[in-house]
Amino acid sequence: GENVEQHPSTLSVQEGDSAVIKCTYSDSASNYFPWYKQELGKRPQLIIDIRSNVGEKKDQRIAVTLNKTAKHFSLHITETQPEDSAVYFCAASMNTDKLIFGTGTRLQVFP
Amino acid sequence: DTEVTQTPKHLVMGMTNKKSLKCEQHMGHRAMYWYKQKAKKPPELMFVYSYEKLSINESVPSRFSPECPNSSLLNLHLHALQPEDSALYLCASSQVLTYEQYFGPGTRLTVT
Repeated sequence: GENVEQHPSTLSVQEGDSAVIKCTYSDSASNYFPWYKQELGKRPQLIIDIRSNVGEKKDQRIAVTLNKTAKHFSLHITETQPEDSAVYFCAASMNTDKLIFGTGTRLQVFP
Repeated sequence: DTEVTQTPKHLVMGMTNKKSLKCEQHMGHRAMYWYKQKAKKPPELMFVYSYEKLSINESVPSRFSPECPNSSLLNLHLHALQPEDSALYLCASSQVLTYEQYFGPGTRLTVT
């Protein structure tokens, strides 16, 4: 079955710097890749997603890139702010309702 | 309404109790999900309902019993739970075939 690896497990950056989180998936049939942000004690929040027919998608300070050949996708956050501090989960899906989640990255943004 | 709501927020139950978790959405979504999340782990899929029919059961023990009374409501009936079942239980919903899942705030369950 599908497996999603996520790195790094923790990431600390200075406010204003960029942060990059990478995920690798195993099944080439996967075609939907969402990213979720989960603040402490809160629900996972869908922040951006990308489908396999697109290589990059941006939404203000957040961007996601997809390399289907290498089977990896990345989340890029520019001009980080303290409120970006959270756990970020990547996920992959193969045209089904089932999302396979990565193990999560704890991002800390220091002022 | 663009939210998924869940009740209760917190639940403490003994191993012999029967309780239910409730989830509601009014976004017209026709797929609804139950997840279990342990601390510092990703959400773990338990059940999926599509058009009010159970479509995925991830080999969940029978002490967890899902129910989808209508397209807006999803329940999770709990009976004879174990302490290791203590976790955050998340509900989510999505349009069928778009796969964009939106989560509720969760129910923090403690089994004593």
